[in-house]
Amino acid sequence: AQSVTQPDIHITVSEGASLELRCNYSYGATPYLFWYVQSPGQGLQLLLKYFSGDTLVQGIKGFEAEFKRSQSSFNLRKPSVHWSDAAEYFCAVVYYNAGNMLTFGGGTRLMVKP
Amino acid sequence: GAVVSQHPSRVICKSGTSVKIECRSLDFQATTMFWYRQFPKKSLMLMATSNEGSKATYEQGVEKDKFLINHASLTLSTLTVTSAHPEDSSFYICSARRGEGPEQYFGPGTRLTVT
Repeated sequence: AQSVTQPDIHITVSEGASLELRCNYSYGATPYLFWYVQSPGQGLQLLLKYFSGDTLVQGIKGFEAEFKRSQSSFNLRKPSVHWSDAAEYFCAVVYYNAGNMLTFGGGTRLMVKP
Repeated sequence: GAVVSQHPSRVICKSGTSVKIECRSLDFQATTMFWYRQFPKKSLMLMATSNEGSKATYEQGVEKDKFLINHASLTLSTLTVTSAHPEDSSFYICSARRGEGPEQYFGPGTRLTVT
């Protein structure tokens, strides 16, 4: 079965520090990978996505993610975190030719210390 | 482009009543729409997939008679929670897919509270 793992349930970083949120997906067919952010009581906002090509993708709000097929990972990074980045982050995957269903990870809650 | 709206954003209803949530794709035709449920501090759980003009496909464990889904047009899907109970209180999020591509566009969600 398809699965997405976000190993860190909570992460706390200081404002201005760098950030890396981990995401691992189960091996399968060609994956399409997404990162979403959700503020409390809000819907999902797409940060970035990877379909093909350059494995380092740039997203909105200064985020980037790198697809590493050998490690089945798609980690999200930001060089300098802002207090407004505090939110819940979800990694998600769609496997081509597997019904195109979106599978979400469990989420990582990011807290930012002043 | 690819904007999805939901209405209402919040609803409070009494136990035993039904409530309808609308999901609209505003600037594209959605071949497929999805309904998710999100419990507090949890990830999204897919409830059902609906294609325009056909019956929805429900995920295992989701009661199709309680959560009625209608996808009457290429821009509108509705979720009706029938005979709501407090345990149905949750955040419901819809999404829409344009064509057969992998990307889904998400609505802002509806907070349902059943008293």
